[in-house]
Amino acid sequence: DTGVSQNPRHKITKRGQNVTFRCDPISEHNRLYWYRQTLGQGPEFLTYFQNEAQLEKSRLLSDRFSAERPKGSFSTLEIQRTEQGDSAMYLCASSLFETSNTEAFFGQGTRLTVV
Amino acid sequence: AQSVAQPEDQVNVAEGNPLTVKCTYSVSGNPYLFWYVQYPNRGLQFLLKYITGDNLVKGSYGFEAEFNKSQTSFHLKKPSALVSDSALYFCAVRPSHLAGSARQLTFGSGTQLTVLP
Repeated sequence: DTGVSQNPRHKITKRGQNVTFRCDPISEHNRLYWYRQTLGQGPEFLTYFQNEAQLEKSRLLSDRFSAERPKGSFSTLEIQRTEQGDSAMYLCASSLFETSNTEAFFGQGTRLTVV
Repeated sequence: AQSVAQPEDQVNVAEGNPLTVKCTYSVSGNPYLFWYVQYPNRGLQFLLKYITGDNLVKGSYGFEAEFNKSQTSFHLKKPSALVSDSALYFCAVRPSHLAGSARQLTFGSGTQLTVLP
């Protein structure tokens, strides 16, 4: 399968613990996005990378959140000192930035439950 | 700021009947518009997009959408619904003049489509 891959698919953690998610984009895609989706809502933009550069962060991305894409390939999203409000589906997407109208392809997501 | 409204949380339709899932948007300038579908425990799958040109856009699985600039709408349609079309549908918008910068997709809250056999 050459689509966007996310690991783990599910994560249950205790409040206050740190968690890290991984996203492997489609190999030739130079843009990578992180979104968060809570129940009954559409995805909300968190941050995106063009190659290894993080070009924008949403105000939703508090100081406890950090994302990296060190070699311009896979990306990690870390949440420190998790809170119950962090429980959500975290979606990764990638696209090829050739023109401004290119659609993004999404992974299956990582569902985080903070107990 | 851009926004998307999907006024119906739930749409039910009988198999074989036409379906419509509504979407209206607000954006400065010309929009790029997208429809995605999400099956349970799955990520979003791209269905179709409107960039420019013909207002009627055809996409995957027999879906199509009609762009109406005066009504700022981009309704998703299918002439004959299948039970397998039952899923959560999201409309999304991006302003075209900012697409080369850091402005990303804004999604609606989703519409659950149920096709009854």
